[in-house]
Amino acid sequence: DADVTQTPRNRITKTGKRIMLECSQTKGHDRMYWYRQDPGLGLRLIYYSFDVKDINKGEISDGYSVSRQAQAKFSLSLESAIPNQTALYFCATSARDKSSYEQYFGPGTRLTVT
Amino acid sequence: DQQVKQNSPSLSVQEGRISILNCDYTNSMFDYFLWYKKYPAEGPTFLISISSIKDKNEDGRFTVFLNKSAKHLSLHIVPSQPGDSAVYFCAGSSGTYKYIFGTGTRLKVLA
Repeated sequence: DADVTQTPRNRITKTGKRIMLECSQTKGHDRMYWYRQDPGLGLRLIYYSFDVKDINKGEISDGYSVSRQAQAKFSLSLESAIPNQTALYFCATSARDKSSYEQYFGPGTRLTVT
Repeated sequence: DQQVKQNSPSLSVQEGRISILNCDYTNSMFDYFLWYKKYPAEGPTFLISISSIKDKNEDGRFTVFLNKSAKHLSLHIVPSQPGDSAVYFCAGSSGTYKYIFGTGTRLKVLA
C-alpha cells in the first residue's frame, strides 16, 4: 500500500462549487504539505502543517483552506472553485527528524474547474 | 520573485552519456538542496540532496554539485539510462522545512 494517498485522483467540477481534496499518510510523519503544479511553474506551496495544531500559509494560499484532522490526515478545500485553480495537486509529508529533509509525495489529484 | 530557477525546460541525451541538469537560486539563506524525479501520473520522488556545508554529494550514478558563491547547483547522471527519462525538480530550503521548487527540467534519454 502507498504511504501517502490522495483522493480523488481526478475530479472535474464547475465554477463556484466547493471541493475537498483529501490526503492520508501512514508514514507517521508530523509535517504535511499541499502543493499545486502548473505547466512551466513547477511546484508551488499552498499550505503546510508541522503538527495537528500548526497550520501555515504557503506561497499561494488565496482561495484555499486546509484542515488537519489528525496527524495522518490533511485536507485541502476550495470554497468556491474557479478555472485558474485547474492544476495537479500534490500532498507531501516529511519527518520531524532534523537529519532528514526528504519529502514524500502522494500520487497527485488532477483537478479541472470548468 | 522566483527563488529557484531551472532555465532549461528540456534536455535530450544519448544513452550512456552524461546528463547535466542545472539549477540556480537567489536565496542566500538556503542551507539544503534536494533533487526530485517525477514520472507522468506519479508524485515526485526524492533522488539526492546536499547540505550547504558540502560541495558534492554522490549516490551511485547521481552526483550533485553545489557552488555557493555562484548560487548554482547541478545534477550529473552518469551513465544516463532510458529509465532516467523524467522531469527533474530542484528545491531549496532555509532550514524551516519549507521547500521552494524550481520549474523542472524534462530529461529525455535516447536509446
